[in-house]
Amino acid sequence: DSGVTQTPKHLITATGQRVTLRCSPRSGDLSVYWYQQSLDQGLQFLIQYYNGEERAKGNILERFSAQQFPDLHSELNLSSLELGDSALYFCASSRGGITDTQYFGPGTRLTVL
Amino acid sequence: EDQVTQSPEALRLQEGESSSLNCSYTVSGLRGLFWYRQDPGKGPEFLFTLYSAGEEKEKERLKATLTKKESFLHITAPKPEDSATYLCAVGGFKTSYDKVIFGPGTSLSVIP
Repeated sequence: DSGVTQTPKHLITATGQRVTLRCSPRSGDLSVYWYQQSLDQGLQFLIQYYNGEERAKGNILERFSAQQFPDLHSELNLSSLELGDSALYFCASSRGGITDTQYFGPGTRLTVL
Repeated sequence: EDQVTQSPEALRLQEGESSSLNCSYTVSGLRGLFWYRQDPGKGPEFLFTLYSAGEEKEKERLKATLTKKESFLHITAPKPEDSATYLCAVGGFKTSYDKVIFGPGTSLSVIP
């Protein structure tokens, strides 16, 4: 158990819908990272937050957005969902910045029908 | 282009047969290289961080090494429980100080 929690574990929804994925980092960790993993794309870095502020952006679509709240939990919002958005979404946390060890959560499996 | 590649894509070993996995990267100004292990349907599990060329780290049957353009994960006398996908990632580089790029992974199967 990494100490990172993600909810829900599974999500099934329809095209065009909007969903919110939630992540609680390990106690004491200030950074949260979001990743998307699909069979054909591997693990893709989406975005990083550090202590409530956006720190780095990766391959995140404009239909996706994220935020980190004062209690350091984070939410990833996915809107206007398409079939291709079906994937495993992982959250990771670390003490500080990019050179610190990242601990990954169990993931949320999103299926868009 | 900043890129991370891994080889081989898949590797099948007999129990006890040592081998190495390769991770090559083209980023400059690397701040850290990471190795993770991932079991199917689960989140990646951290193994090692390497910061500079020449650095080595060991943990049980695994040893990671780093040069200026690649890293190796050596597996000595593997056991079936070492079967997993091994991912390498680079973090923080000249074109993007805080980004992370993961390689596609090597799927390792260890046969009893």
